[in-house]
Amino acid sequence: GENVEQHPSTLSVQEGDSAVIKCTYSDSASNYFPWYKQELGKGPQLIIDIRSNVGEKKDQRIAVTLNKTAKHFSLHITETQPEDSAVYFCAASTAGGTSYGKLTFGQGTILTVHP
Amino acid sequence: KAGVTQTPRYLIKTRGQQVTLSCSPISGHRSVSWYQQTPGQGLQFLFEYFSETQRNKGNFPGRFSGRQFSNSRSEMNVSTLELGDSALYLCASSLERPQPDKLFFGSGTQLSVL
Repeated sequence: GENVEQHPSTLSVQEGDSAVIKCTYSDSASNYFPWYKQELGKGPQLIIDIRSNVGEKKDQRIAVTLNKTAKHFSLHITETQPEDSAVYFCAASTAGGTSYGKLTFGQGTILTVHP
Repeated sequence: KAGVTQTPRYLIKTRGQQVTLSCSPISGHRSVSWYQQTPGQGLQFLFEYFSETQRNKGNFPGRFSGRQFSNSRSEMNVSTLELGDSALYLCASSLERPQPDKLFFGSGTQLSVL
């Protein structure tokens, strides 16, 4: 089955700096890669996603890049703010197949943004 | 539009008991998935339901079961609770089309087994 590795497990940055979180996946059939942000006491919130026919996607301060050949994808947050502090999860799935509802998640990255 | 609603928010049970958790999806979403989140294992897929039918299942023992009703609301049940079942149980819903894999999660039910 699919395996997703996420690094780093913790990331500490100063406000205004950039943060980068990286994930690798094992199943070459995976074609959908979402990123979730989870704050304390809440469920994961979808913040951005990318499909395998796209190499990069941006949404204001966040961007995701995908390298299908190397089987890795990354989340980039620019101009970080204290409210960006949370746990971030990457995930992968094989959309369009029989993997209904199944995302394989990375282990998470605890991001701390210091004012 | 209201998000995914899960009840109850917290539950405390003892070993051997059973528990039922409830999930109301976003209006118009007909697919409901369940996940278990623990510090050690992370987020793991339990099962997915669409139109009252289980379409996909993760690697969990038969003690974990679920169902979906005609209004798309879903419940999951865990029988003969074990200490290791203590976790945050998350429900997610999605539209069947155009992006069935775009999941929206609720805040979860925190289950503690004593």
